[in-house]
Amino acid sequence: GENVEQHPSTLSVQEGDSAVIKCTYSDSASNYFPWYKQELGKRPQLIIDIRSNVGEKKDQRIAVTLNKTAKHFSLHITETQPEDSAVYFCAAIDYNQGGKLIFGQGTELSVKP
Amino acid sequence: EAQVTQNPRYLITVTGKKLTVTCSQNMNHEYMSWYRQDPGLGLRQIYYSMNVEVTDKGDVPEGYKVSRKEKRNFPLILESPSPNQTSLYFCASSQRTSFPVGGGELFFGEGSRLTVL
Repeated sequence: GENVEQHPSTLSVQEGDSAVIKCTYSDSASNYFPWYKQELGKRPQLIIDIRSNVGEKKDQRIAVTLNKTAKHFSLHITETQPEDSAVYFCAAIDYNQGGKLIFGQGTELSVKP
Repeated sequence: EAQVTQNPRYLITVTGKKLTVTCSQNMNHEYMSWYRQDPGLGLRQIYYSMNVEVTDKGDVPEGYKVSRKEKRNFPLILESPSPNQTSLYFCASSQRTSFPVGGGELFFGEGSRLTVL
């Protein structure tokens, strides 16, 4: 089945710097890759997703890139702000298990003012 | 307001005392799922349901039961809780029954923090 590895597990940046979180997946059939943000004490919420027919997608300060050949995708946050501090989860579809979503282990991002 | 509602939000119980965590969604979603969140392990799926009366095991189903008698409700049952079931539990729903070509957003509940002593 699908295996999603996420790195780093923790990331600390200064306000205004960029942050990059990387995920690798194993199922070459996967074609949908969402990112969820979970603020402290809150529920995970979808912030951006990408499908395999594009290599990059942007939404204001966040962007996701996808390299299907290498089977990895990354979340990029530019001009980080304290409110970006959260746990971020990547995910990929496991078609061997009926198309369910497999989550990475999570990255705790801390943005220091 | 579209939402997924879980109850209770916090619960401390003892080993062996049966408990149920309720989950209800008002978005008419076909797909519902339970996850547990543990440090360093991400979100792991316990059980999921494609529609009424259709449920299936996720990655960590041992010690849990579910039922889907109505579209809006998907309770998680711990028949005989043990300390290794101490965790943060999330219910989620989606309008897609699976994640085929397009994928679909999962809407999560607020979470239920369970402690088993």
